[in-house]
Amino acid sequence: GIQVEQSPPDLILQEGANSTLRCNFSDSVNNLQWFHQNPWGQLINLFYIPSGTKQNGRLSATTVATERYSLLYISSSQTTDSGVYFCAGGLPLNAGGTSYGKLTFGQGTILTVHP
Amino acid sequence: ETGVTQSPTHLIKTRGQQVTLRCSSQSGHNTVSWYQQALGQGPQFIFQYYREEENGRGNFPPRFSGLQFPNYSSELNVNALELDDSALYLCASSAYWGNEQFFGPGTRLTVL
Repeated sequence: GIQVEQSPPDLILQEGANSTLRCNFSDSVNNLQWFHQNPWGQLINLFYIPSGTKQNGRLSATTVATERYSLLYISSSQTTDSGVYFCAGGLPLNAGGTSYGKLTFGQGTILTVHP
Repeated sequence: ETGVTQSPTHLIKTRGQQVTLRCSSQSGHNTVSWYQQALGQGPQFIFQYYREEENGRGNFPPRFSGLQFPNYSSELNVNALELDDSALYLCASSAYWGNEQFFGPGTRLTVL
């Protein structure tokens, strides 16, 4: 199966700072997603971004599929941005018929934003 | 539009017991996937159901089993519970088995 590496593992910011989180994949993936896990454990969808760039308010994401990585940008961070950020991806649907949309997750980036 | 729901929220069992966790998929979704998240780790894929059939399975033993019903809701059953089964169990639904997945709030299982 694919391997997903996230960096950095931990990130501490002052409110108002910008940050970039990175996700590297060992193989080409589709249905690449970014999540924020809240303190109660729920995974909140941030982006579905197999390729290209998307923006949603202070957050944006870029996936370079040919180079097997994705970036999540957080601008003007707020204390409510604190939590764990995960990226996850699945193999292309024609990969031997075994991908079936399974998501493989990275280990996460723990973001702490101080006021 | 109702999102993905899971029940119960928390559960405490003892080693050797059996447990059933439930998931209702988002309206319009026919695929449900189950994940196990141990403390400090990313979620690990258990299995996926598409139109009531198991559509793929991760590296979990047969004592982890599931069902999907005609309304696309799903159950995860775990027999002969072990201490290492203590985790957050997450259910996700999608409109198709390769599409964007949306997660429920999870069930936190503690095995004593």
